Amino acid sequence: AAGVIQSPRHLIKEKRETATLKCYPIPRHDTVYWYQQGPGQDPQFLISFYEKMQSDKGSIPDRFSAQQFSDYHSELNMSSLELGDSALYFCASASPISSSTDTQYFGPGTRLTVL
Amino acid sequence: LAKTTQPISMDSYEGQEVNITCSHNNIATNDYITWYQQFPSQGPRFIIQGYKTKVTNEVASLFIPADRKSSTLSLPRVSLSDTAVYYCLVGAHTGAGSYQLTFGKGTKLSVIP
Repeated sequence: AAGVIQSPRHLIKEKRETATLKCYPIPRHDTVYWYQQGPGQDPQFLISFYEKMQSDKGSIPDRFSAQQFSDYHSELNMSSLELGDSALYFCASASPISSSTDTQYFGPGTRLTVL
Repeated sequence: LAKTTQPISMDSYEGQEVNITCSHNNIATNDYITWYQQFPSQGPRFIIQGYKTKVTNEVASLFIPADRKSSTLSLPRVSLSDTAVYYCLVGAHTGAGSYQLTFGKGTKLSVIP
């Protein structure tokens, strides 16, 4: 079965640079979630989109922004990168239509390293 | 959002049944309980989800008492490949097509040969 695709899988940036992470949800899934997981930490919810509209916001820094496009893929844009932004970034997709519980299926993640 | 509490770590021998209990005293009426498994540097993997009583699938069982203030994930006959972090989550509908999951401290399960 098709899974969530994230690109790139690894990304190295310098401080103050920008980065764009991409997420391609499972086909027919219309909801996308972004999570950040720092070294040795638990995943933290950043932001979510439903039908191309922002649906919920968590602990996402103002330096970050995201959007969901007409084909339901999503991009997380990160500017003025800081050392503390080094983390694994996961995208998850769900389909509210399939159940009332919106089971989230996670992608493999993008490992961002800020030097 | 309901907060969850689960043991930080557990050890088990191969072939044993492992039960991980999670408490969620403030669970709301519409909340479901979901368990995920995560290997190092990989995305969390959905294991099982339930609302009440017992749910079973090909990899695990989930036991939820009538008051729903706790739940127990049961892994039958664990193997070394089950060594991972297990997260118990209680999801909350935020009314906008979003079902936010709040990850707490998971349980690091170590399976010993």
